[in-house]
Amino acid sequence: DQQVKQNSPSLSVQEGRISILNCDYTNSMFDYFLWYKKYPAEGPTFLISISSIKDKNEDGRFTVFLNKSAKHLSLHIVPSQPGDSAVYFCAALDTSGTYKYIFGTGTRLKVLA
Amino acid sequence: EPEVTQTPSHQVTQMGQEVILRCVPISNHLYFYWYRQILGQKVEFLVSFYNNEISEKSEIFDDQFSVERPDGSNFTLKIRSTKLEDSAMYFCASSDRGRTGNTIYFGEGSWLTVV
Repeated sequence: DQQVKQNSPSLSVQEGRISILNCDYTNSMFDYFLWYKKYPAEGPTFLISISSIKDKNEDGRFTVFLNKSAKHLSLHIVPSQPGDSAVYFCAALDTSGTYKYIFGTGTRLKVLA
Repeated sequence: EPEVTQTPSHQVTQMGQEVILRCVPISNHLYFYWYRQILGQKVEFLVSFYNNEISEKSEIFDDQFSVERPDGSNFTLKIRSTKLEDSAMYFCASSDRGRTGNTIYFGEGSWLTVV
């Protein structure tokens, strides 16, 4: 049962353009969401998070949007840079439950120079 | 910046051997996790640990797996009798669960190869 889904396994974007990575979830009890970036053979690195009481959170080039009614969140990177090329995971957390973070399957972003 | 550290970074072991993966979580964190990622697959939850006991474990975390916090700083994952399918990257993580935020921080991972 895949509670957190990233339906696009890969995405290619031109440098300077916007990258949009999508994530869907099924459990309405999830109330906190995080995005991680992962390079090969390294641990996931935290990027940005959003609480369910918000619909947008911005940090520099990274913005996360949350649509609770659609159970959908997205990560926007603008402008995209070649160094952003990595696998991006979204993760969801039920803070009223056992505090288990559920990860999506990841989207491999390639930013073309 | 505080970080989660893991050792070894890479271990090759014979099938059936015991393996211990070590982690030093961020010092003021109280909640600890192990995740794993089989090559090309998603990051999977194994176990969470708080107050010297397991809070939750996944179906992957069977009797061959155990976790321990032997002292005030280390958090270990033991695999008693490794199988080929245990080959994966194992990530330790920690959080302070809401005291300063809900972010979970990961170590760099321990790459386990079972041959």
